[in-house]
Amino acid sequence: GEDVEQSLFLSVREGDSSVINCTYTDSSSTYLYWYKQEPGAGLQLLTYIFSNMDMKQDQRLTVLLNKKDKHLSLRIADTQTGDSAIYFCAGVITGGGNKLTFGTGTQLKVEL
Amino acid sequence: DTEVTQTPKHLVMGMTNKKSLKCEQHMGHRAMYWYKQKAKKPPELMFVYSYEKLSINESVPSRFSPECPNSSLLNLHLHALQPEDSALYLCASSQGHRDTGELFFGEGSRLTVL
Repeated sequence: GEDVEQSLFLSVREGDSSVINCTYTDSSSTYLYWYKQEPGAGLQLLTYIFSNMDMKQDQRLTVLLNKKDKHLSLRIADTQTGDSAIYFCAGVITGGGNKLTFGTGTQLKVEL
Repeated sequence: DTEVTQTPKHLVMGMTNKKSLKCEQHMGHRAMYWYKQKAKKPPELMFVYSYEKLSINESVPSRFSPECPNSSLLNLHLHALQPEDSALYLCASSQGHRDTGELFFGEGSRLTVL
């Protein structure tokens, strides 16, 4: 399978919480990242977590890291229509040539 | 100025044309990147320049030729492309190259090859 996997699609109602998940094979990355891509635009760094942390909160965003299970998640509280986008997790994967590897991407659709 | 600017935003070219994509940043970043992105897929790394020297070339076909004239500019020269090269081409920059995932992306150049 892919080095970094995400579920393809997530649909939530406005005001609910969204949880986007990411699993990776093995990471040598000091940090793990979440990027957001709105339609027709480039990627925007949303947040990141240091690899020896379990959790990081940044306003509506909460990042959880479970190194034992190689699992990263992004929780968006009070999801808004402006949060509709594709979300990519990313990290430097062991044996990946010291370059950033992006996950497969999760398309988040926020419905009214 | 925290922007990466790419031109043109859209480009349509035939398989025999020669064209160039341009990228500019004024954040003092010393690493610049070209990515290719197909619809609904993650970006795929093509080239990395670090301190104006090509440091990573991901076995990209020679019909794509990168150039870094100075620390603020990055070009991608295109020649004899194929229809499957149609994609969004993203430029990015970062302060350094080693073990950093803090990339600043441009809006991309959408390329269509007829």
